[in-house]
Amino acid sequence: AQSVTQLGSHVSVSEGALVLLRCNYSSSVPPYLFWYVQYPNQGLQLLLKYTSAATLVKGINGFEAEFKKSETSFHLTKPSAHMSDAAEYFCAVRAPRGGADGLTFGKGTHLIIQP
Amino acid sequence: AAGVIQSPRHLIKEKRETATLKCYPIPRHDTVYWYQQGPGQDPQFLISFYEKMQSDKGSIPDRFSAQQFSDYHSELNMSSLELGDSALYFCASSLGQASYEQYFGPGTRLTVT
Repeated sequence: AQSVTQLGSHVSVSEGALVLLRCNYSSSVPPYLFWYVQYPNQGLQLLLKYTSAATLVKGINGFEAEFKKSETSFHLTKPSAHMSDAAEYFCAVRAPRGGADGLTFGKGTHLIIQP
Repeated sequence: AAGVIQSPRHLIKEKRETATLKCYPIPRHDTVYWYQQGPGQDPQFLISFYEKMQSDKGSIPDRFSAQQFSDYHSELNMSSLELGDSALYFCASSLGQASYEQYFGPGTRLTVT
């Protein structure tokens, strides 16, 4: 079974500073990995995904993530935080196989942007 | 672009009642997933359907059932509701069961009193 662990339930950064949200996965084989963002009272929006192609993945809104097999990590970064980035971020994993498998989410990280 | 539609958006039920949540996937999407997100929690996968057949099953209680219809919309039926069923229920859809991308709807907020 796959699982993900997000380090830090809350992360606070200043506007314009680097954003780093941590995600480590556990899987017997390299899984498919995703980052989703959730604004208050809204659904989840896909930021980016890793599906065994390029290890550095670029997503929407200036976010990117790097798959590091040796560290079993898939950390999310953004060079310069914007106030509109304040939201809940979820790392998710699924098995790399066919079938409509559900995603397994981490506990989430609440990103706070300080003006 | 068309998105996943869920209805109703809000639902209030009493304990032991039943509830039916509906999900209309993005046009041409043939795969539907249901998730439950409790207050302050991460989403938990419940069940998925591909081409009207159950595909994967997660932590769905026996009191819940779901199905996908010929037009690919899906319904989640919840019986003998408990206070702990109060949550945000998301539906997601994808094109093909092996698609990497699941597109989430806005959710149905169920409150059980």
